[in-house]
Amino acid sequence: NAGVTQTPKFRILKIGQSMTLQCTQDMNHNYMYWYRQDPGMGLKLIYYSVGAGITDKGEVPNGYNVSRSTTEDFPLRLELAAPSQTSVYFCASTTEPYGYTFGSGTRLTVV
Amino acid sequence: DQQVKQNSPSLSVQEGRISILNCDYTNSMFDYFLWYKKYPAEGPTFLISISSIKDKNEDGRFTVFLNKSAKHLSLHIVPSQPGDSAVYFCAASAILTRGGSEKLVFGKGTKLTVNP
Repeated sequence: NAGVTQTPKFRILKIGQSMTLQCTQDMNHNYMYWYRQDPGMGLKLIYYSVGAGITDKGEVPNGYNVSRSTTEDFPLRLELAAPSQTSVYFCASTTEPYGYTFGSGTRLTVV
Repeated sequence: DQQVKQNSPSLSVQEGRISILNCDYTNSMFDYFLWYKKYPAEGPTFLISISSIKDKNEDGRFTVFLNKSAKHLSLHIVPSQPGDSAVYFCAASAILTRGGSEKLVFGKGTKLTVNP
């Protein structure tokens, strides 16, 4: 079982560049989430999706976009990378109740 | 405004002793609480949870206690083992209005070190 797969694991971006963080789950979960974790901080919700074609903003959505065209995939797009987006990004999925399955994370550095 | 607070950034205990990790919350609408464990370079993994209708849930060496009146929960690990060394995140769930999907609000985490 692959669970939740995130790619890439590491990436360095220059300011103003764009990229897409990929997230795929093979558990047929309806709910998917993107979190970011800054050093010494908890996980903050960026965007979430309750099913294909439905997305909504979380706590810190500025500078990001998402799409959910299939149940399996939930990519996160950074359009104009800024140093404040340097973080570790986690994708998660779940079916009720509650227990999230997380991917192993993408460590992004913007220089 | 931090709705889930873990006020101890770190905790160090001896192998075989009890580890107690604490968590406070402010939102009275939270109805489900979870603990996640995270090793370096890995994603968090679910450890144990508790519903607001209970005050205790036990799973092997791990027990979570909930005090609703104090808006406080704690995770007890007995006996602690070196392999328990990790960052522990407390999380609370509030039902969203759209689609009925819960979302989790996380604390900042407590780094537990269990010394042999």
